[in-house]
Amino acid sequence: AQTVTQSQPEMSVQEAETVTLSCTYDTSESDYYLFWYKQPPSRQMILVIRQEAYKQQNATENRFSVNFQKAAKSFSLKISDSQLGDAAMYFCAYRSATSGNTPLVFGKGTRLSVIA
Amino acid sequence: NAGVTQTPKFRILKIGQSMTLQCTQDMNHNYMYWYRQDPGMGLKLIYYSVGAGITDKGEVPNGYNVSRSTTEDFPLRLELAAPSQTSVYFCASSYLYGTGEGNTEAFFGQGTRLTVV
Repeated sequence: AQTVTQSQPEMSVQEAETVTLSCTYDTSESDYYLFWYKQPPSRQMILVIRQEAYKQQNATENRFSVNFQKAAKSFSLKISDSQLGDAAMYFCAYRSATSGNTPLVFGKGTRLSVIA
Repeated sequence: NAGVTQTPKFRILKIGQSMTLQCTQDMNHNYMYWYRQDPGMGLKLIYYSVGAGITDKGEVPNGYNVSRSTTEDFPLRLELAAPSQTSVYFCASSYLYGTGEGNTEAFFGQGTRLTVV
């Protein structure tokens, strides 16, 4: 079964600085999707960024970018120019692109604090 | 588009009571999921469905039941509520297969905060 590991339960960053959240995953599949979700205090799950495994180029969305290392099964999230509104729980997630019976699997999350 | 709608948003149950958490989506997604999130923790999969009439257990299915009679609806039933079921419950949906923006990720409801006393 696929597993997702987030080894940093908590992280903090100064406003306007850059922070990187780590995520590793375990799979025997070659085609899959990876996601970072943000969960602010409102509890809403918000998609931050997605990566399709067949794409070698790292995904970027404004201040958010990933470092996708397929061979190392690593998928870290970099937040540049951190803002107070970035404070939240961040979850890394995996799902298969080919197996219909492999549901979305989450890591345990990283709580990010942003210091003014 | 309403997306994924969960009801109710909050509920307090007494031990031994039963209830159904409703979830409906209007995106014609095949995949639907139920997760629970205990305080300060990640999301644990309770049940999922890959289409109408098909359901399967996730990581923590005990004490819950689901059905999927239509593509749109995926209710979660709690029988004989216990304090250990106090949690926030999330319903989500996604396409079974797809590529590109909007076609690969899961969309979530706003969650149901359930307290069993």
